[in-house]
Amino acid sequence: SQQGEEDPQALSIQEGENATMNCSYKTSINNLQWYRQNSGRGLVHLILIRSNEREKHSGRLRVTLDTSKKSSSLLITASRAADTASYFCATDASDYKLSFGAGTTVTVRA
Amino acid sequence: DAGVTQSPTHLIKTRGQQVTLRCSPKSGHDTVSWYQQALGQGPQFIFQYYEEEERQRGNFPDRFSGHQFPNYSSELNVNALLLGDSALYLCASRSTGTSFNYGYTFGSGTRLTVV
Repeated sequence: SQQGEEDPQALSIQEGENATMNCSYKTSINNLQWYRQNSGRGLVHLILIRSNEREKHSGRLRVTLDTSKKSSSLLITASRAADTASYFCATDASDYKLSFGAGTTVTVRA
Repeated sequence: DAGVTQSPTHLIKTRGQQVTLRCSPKSGHDTVSWYQQALGQGPQFIFQYYEEEERQRGNFPDRFSGHQFPNYSSELNVNALLLGDSALYLCASRSTGTSFNYGYTFGSGTRLTVV
């Protein structure tokens, strides 16, 4: 079974709009990470937020973490066609493995 | 600086055969993990290697085995292949002790098709 669950499963937006996706998880974590995957290739690490942090920014990305609700959100601002990809949240609870959700597929229309 | 390198990129095998996938971690990384990603799903943890030992294993049968070499590279072996083993196999590396601040570096994967 997967630790994280992303919502929505799919998202279609116009170029320039913001994209928001959410992740819920089940157990206590050390940190939560977001990854991007283009067309079934390798995953690219986007951002990591530690369990004692509530919000983090990196370029056009903003991540929030609410450990009391066991949830996180990823916001991509001013989306571009190149942002079209699948996005996965992954929880790190043991330092040994990441537990991934099923992902959110984002399509950015020109 | 090369990232994680996986070989081969694609592979077709017949049911019952055995397969070996290879991974070279990013320079400076000593920990290697393997993941299986079925179509339309998120990656599932297979196992992690550090100092040539399997440190943790996910919910995969003994048909899945691995090895880490002194140069930190790693192999994933799958015996008695089943159709359900068809998936993208991802290798990820990291420096041990950095988990608090850094994510993993993933390779581009090996696409295994079992027919």
